[in-house]
Amino acid sequence: NAGVMQNPRHLVRRRGQEARLRCSPMKGHSHVYWYRQLPEEGLKFMVYLQKENIIDESGMPKERFSAEFPKEGPSILRIQQVVRGDSAAYFCASSPLQGATGELFFGEGSRLTVL
Amino acid sequence: GENVEQHPSTLSVQEGDSAVIKCTYSDSASNYFPWYKQELGKGPQLIIDIRSNVGEKKDQRIAVTLNKTAKHFSLHITETQPEDSAVYFCAADTRGNTPLVFGKGTRLSVIA
Repeated sequence: NAGVMQNPRHLVRRRGQEARLRCSPMKGHSHVYWYRQLPEEGLKFMVYLQKENIIDESGMPKERFSAEFPKEGPSILRIQQVVRGDSAAYFCASSPLQGATGELFFGEGSRLTVL
Repeated sequence: GENVEQHPSTLSVQEGDSAVIKCTYSDSASNYFPWYKQELGKGPQLIIDIRSNVGEKKDQRIAVTLNKTAKHFSLHITETQPEDSAVYFCAADTRGNTPLVFGKGTRLSVIA
C-alpha cells in the first residue's frame, strides 16, 4: 500500500510564475490536508479537503492560493504569481477519518523555491 | 482557536540519557494529542499519541503524559540513541472537522 505521494519533490519558480503541487492520498483515504513549513518553523495548516469539497480553508491566504481535490485524480495546491515569501516546504497529509481524530499520514513534501 | 506552545526549541543529550519535550495547549476541548518525528528531508511520522481519557501511554522507549487540568502534555524518550536525532512536533486536535494544530518543533540531537 503506497503512502501519500507528493510531486514534484522540488520545484523552482521565478517571481510571478505559477506553482502547482500535487498530492495523491493513501488508498482508501478521502480526507486531505495541506500544511506549509517555513525553515525552522512548525507546520501551519492551510486547507482541509474531502473529495470535491473544501471543508476548511481558514489557513490559506485569500489571494493567489487555491486548492482542489477532484473526484478523480490528485489533490492540487496552486499558487499563482509566486513571491519569495512563498518559498517553503508544502506537506500533504491524508486520513481515512473525518476531522483529525486519528493519525495523519504525511507525504515527503514539495519544496518550493522562488527566485 | 487552539494554540500549541512547545519547549525547548533545541535539545542536546548524551547517548543513553533521557529527553523530555513539553507542550501546552489552550483549548480545553482538545482531546487528541499526537507526537510526530521528522527526519531531515522527510515528512513527519506519527510516533505516539494519547487521548484525553488517558493520562499516560508508553511504547518501548517512548512515553507520553497528559495533564488535562494544566493543559500540558510531554514526550519522554529514554535511553536515547543517535537515530533519535530529529525534529519532534507535538499537536492538538479539538474534534470534528478542525485540523491538527502543531507546535513549532524541538530539534533533538543525541550525541554519541
